[in-house]
Formats: sequence, C-alpha cells, structure tokens
Amino acid sequence: DQQVKQNSPSLSVQEGRISILNCDYTNSMFDYFLWYKKYPAEGPTFLISISSIKDKNEDGRFTVFLNKSAKHLSLHIVPSQPGDSAVYFCAASAFGNQFYFGTGTSLTVIP
Amino acid sequence: DSGVTQTPKHLITATGQRVTLRCSPRSGDLSVYWYQQSLDQGLQFLIQYYNGEERAKGNILERFSAQQFPDLHSELNLSSLELGDSALYFCASSPRPATSFYEQYFGPGTRLTVT
Repeated sequence: DQQVKQNSPSLSVQEGRISILNCDYTNSMFDYFLWYKKYPAEGPTFLISISSIKDKNEDGRFTVFLNKSAKHLSLHIVPSQPGDSAVYFCAASAFGNQFYFGTGTSLTVIP
Repeated sequence: DSGVTQTPKHLITATGQRVTLRCSPRSGDLSVYWYQQSLDQGLQFLIQYYNGEERAKGNILERFSAQQFPDLHSELNLSSLELGDSALYFCASSPRPATSFYEQYFGPGTRLTVT
C-alpha cells in the first residue's frame, strides 16, 4: 500500500516559469516531509524539508507547501532552470520512523 | 558527492545465486539504511542499522539480510535471487538513529540485474 503518492510521473516546464510538483499521503501521523532530487546514475540528494508544525518552508528558488487537512504537499521551483531537470521524490516519516517515498516525478525544464 | 560509497556499481547474476552489496557511510554517520527501487516504484525501505545494531525493518524479504560492521560499513546479502529482485539498491546514512528532522545522504546505488 503506497502511503506516499506522486500521481504525475512527468512534468515539462519552460525555463523561467514555475514548476509545481505534487505529493499526496495517506497517513495522518506523518510529521516530517522531505523532497529529494535525483539525477541519472546518482543517488537521491536532499533538497528541502518541512515539519508538520509549518505550512511553508522556503530555500532560495525552492518552496515546499504543506496542507495537512488535504494530506498534500507541493514543491514549487521558481524560476525553473534547465539544471533542475531531474526526478523528484517526496518522502514522509512519522515520529522518526522509516521514510516512505513516492514513485517520483520526472521534471524536464525546456530551455 | 554525498560521501556515501557503494560497490559494485553494477551486478549481473543468474537466478538462484547470492550476491553481496557493500556500503560505506559518510564519515561520522552511525546509521545506515538500505532501500530498493524497482522499475516504476518509489524507494522501498528495507532495513536500518545504527552503530552495528539493527534498528528498523521495512519490506525486507527473508531471502535478504544485512549487517553493519564495527567500522560502520554495511553489507546487504541477497540470496536465492529471482528475476523480480532486479532493481537499484541504495544505501543511505545519517548521523542519528532516528529519521526525525534529519535528512539521509544517499550513495549512488548498485544496479542489480538478475537473468
């Protein structure tokens, strides 16, 4: 049973525009959420995180929004750059236990 | 470069065989996690070790086992391999025993192909 879902396998965006990647979860006990970015032939690298006590966290061009009532989080990248082209995974955990990962969204930023 | 190393990068073997995947965590990290990523699947957590002891278990098959050695490197042993075991296997490390409010650092992965 997939507790973290990324329903869009792929997304294409023009350079300079906003990229919005979405993630839904089913477990209301999740209290910590992360986004990872993965280039081909490399392991995932940590991008940004948010705890359940917040609804927004910003780091440069990357902002993560958390809507606990909808069990939904999203990653906004503004402005999108060609180097952002990668697979993005969201992950969630509850009380410091294991992370559950989504299946990933492949982002392509078109120059 | 995350500082986590995994060997080998690629492994091709036949059904029924046994393989060992190796992971060296970042310097100073005591926790090691193993994940499996099959085609079109997210990262599935297999098992976690902290300072040599098993800390958490996920969807790890009985045919799979792992251990963490005194020098903190870890090995994942996969036996009686089946075609469905073909996947990318990632190792990750972190300084803390629990995942709360702390990210994990991933290695580049080992691609296992079972023929």
